[in-house]
Amino acid sequence: KQEVTQIPAALSVPEGENLVLNCSFTDSAIYNLQWFRQDPGKGLTSLLLIQSSQREQTSGRLNASLDKSSGRSTLYIAASQPGDSATYLCAAFSTSGTYKYIFGTGTRLKVLA
Amino acid sequence: NAGVTQTPKFQVLKTGQSMTLQCAQDMNHEYMSWYRQDPGMGLRLIHYSVGAGITDQGEVPNGYNVSRSTTEDFPLRLLSAAPSQTSVYFCASRAPGQGWSDTQYFGPGTRLTVL
Repeated sequence: KQEVTQIPAALSVPEGENLVLNCSFTDSAIYNLQWFRQDPGKGLTSLLLIQSSQREQTSGRLNASLDKSSGRSTLYIAASQPGDSATYLCAAFSTSGTYKYIFGTGTRLKVLA
Repeated sequence: NAGVTQTPKFQVLKTGQSMTLQCAQDMNHEYMSWYRQDPGMGLRLIHYSVGAGITDQGEVPNGYNVSRSTTEDFPLRLLSAAPSQTSVYFCASRAPGQGWSDTQYFGPGTRLTVL
């Protein structure tokens, strides 16, 4: 059974700092891994999707990497800003015979001005 | 495109009442799903559908029913509400591209409280 873990659960950093959010998954048989952002009281917004055959994806100040063999993905945020404050969730799309995304519990990020 | 829409945004029910959470998308997506989000638990899949007339259970299906009569709509029915169903419910859709490469789009959520 796929399990997805995100560490740390919460993170507070000063503005301008580069930071890394971690996502671990137990079953490497995945189609893709997706990173989402969730603002308080809102739905989820997709940030980056990495295919199982890819190693990384980039969008602006965001870079996500995927290492299937070790069951890890990281989301790198460069030059963090207060507007980046949100909860970041990763989700692994399993190939185990059913079409399911398994979500981590998220990392709550606060960027201090 | 309106994307994924959900109604209502907020709902309060008494134990034992039934209700339907509505979800619609105008992107002609085949795949739709329902999640619930609880503090410290992340999002958990309730039911999903890979196309009209096809539904399947997720991780936590008990107490919920779904149907998919059209591509656009995917309602979630609570048969007899219980306090344990107090949660925020999200509907999502995606177009399964080659290798399931497409992103998921989420609705704004329905915040449900069962007293």
